[in-house]
Parts: sequence; C-alpha cells; structure tokens
Amino acid sequence: GENVEQHPSTLSVQEGDSAVIKCTYSDSASNYFPWYKQELGKRPQLIIDIRSNVGEKKDQRIAVTLNKTAKHFSLHITETQPEDSAVYFCAAGSGTASKLTFGTGTRLQVTL
Amino acid sequence: DTAVSQTPKYLVTQMGNDKSIKCEQNLGHDTMYWYKQDSKKFLKIMFSYNNKELIINETVPNRFSPKSPDKAHLNLHINSLELGDSAVYFCASSVTSVKDTQYFGPGTRLTVL
Repeated sequence: GENVEQHPSTLSVQEGDSAVIKCTYSDSASNYFPWYKQELGKRPQLIIDIRSNVGEKKDQRIAVTLNKTAKHFSLHITETQPEDSAVYFCAAGSGTASKLTFGTGTRLQVTL
Repeated sequence: DTAVSQTPKYLVTQMGNDKSIKCEQNLGHDTMYWYKQDSKKFLKIMFSYNNKELIINETVPNRFSPKSPDKAHLNLHINSLELGDSAVYFCASSVTSVKDTQYFGPGTRLTVL
C-alpha cells in the first residue's frame, strides 16, 4: 500500500519568513495530493491540492510543487503570519486505492 | 448550516462498554469516511462508504462496526471498548471519490478509562 513520509515534524519560523514542508510517497499510482491544516482542537481543513498532471499550483501565499519522477511534493508558505501556526498534513490518494494516506504531520510555529 | 456534524463531541466511558458516534452531512456528498487521530496526531482512515456501500475497511478490529442508513449518515459503533481506542474520531465526506475535497466533521474525543 501507499506510504507517505513527511518532514520536518516540527518547524519554527519567524513571522515574515518562508516555511517549506516536504513529503514523499511510494505508490506511483497516486495522482492526487492535498494538504490539510489543523489548528489546535479543530478539524483538518483543505488548504491546497495538486493533481499529477500539474507541477506547481499557487494560491496567494501558499504554493505546492510536485515531482512525479522523484515521488515527492512540497508545501511552501511565504510571508508567514502567526495565524499560520498549526499542524499541516500532506496526503496522497488514487482512484485505485480509493483512499487518502496521510503523512505524519508538521507542527509549524510562527513566532513574532 | 453545519456541513459535516458529529455527536457527541466528547465521550468518556469505561473499558468494556459499547458506544456509538453519529455523523451527518448536508452537502449531498456520496462518500463518507471515518478517521482515527491518535495522541501523536497520526490521521488514519478506518472506513469509507459510497452511497451506503462499504468500500474501504482498513484492518480495523471487528469491534468497530460502521453503519450507513442513508448516504447522508455514517455512524460508528464500538463494542468492548479498550484503553487503546482513546483517540479523536473524525467523520468526513466528499462528493464522490478520494480525489474530491474531503470535508471533516468537528471530531469526537473518546476517552476510555
């Protein structure tokens, strides 16, 4: 089955700096890669996703890149703000498997 | 106008008891899921239903039994609760397949004493 590894497990950045979170996946059939943000005590919420026919996608301060050959994808947050502090999860999914496999999460702390 | 709702929000119970968690979505989605998030925050799929039919059962002990009376509801019944069942359980739904955005419920924090 699919295995998703996520690094780092914790990340501390100063407000205004950039943050990068990286994930690798094992199943070459995976073709959908969402990123979820989970604030403390809240539910996971989708922030951005990318499909395997695209190499990069941006939404304001958030961008995701995908390298299908290397089987890795990354989340980039620019100009970080305190409200970006949360746990971020990557995930990989395919129609074949009919499920999402989540990474182990990255706790991002944005300090003033 | 909550999209995905779960009840109860908190559940504290003794080992050996049986309990149920209910989930409802008003988004008109065809697919619903149960996830378990343990104390280390790992988020793992347990079950997935599409139009009331079970499509994913992820090596979950058979003490856990999902039931989908209609496509807007997916309930989770747990028999003979164990300490290791303590976790936050999230329900989610998506339009049809795993490649559609999954909307999560608020979670049910289960504590087994």
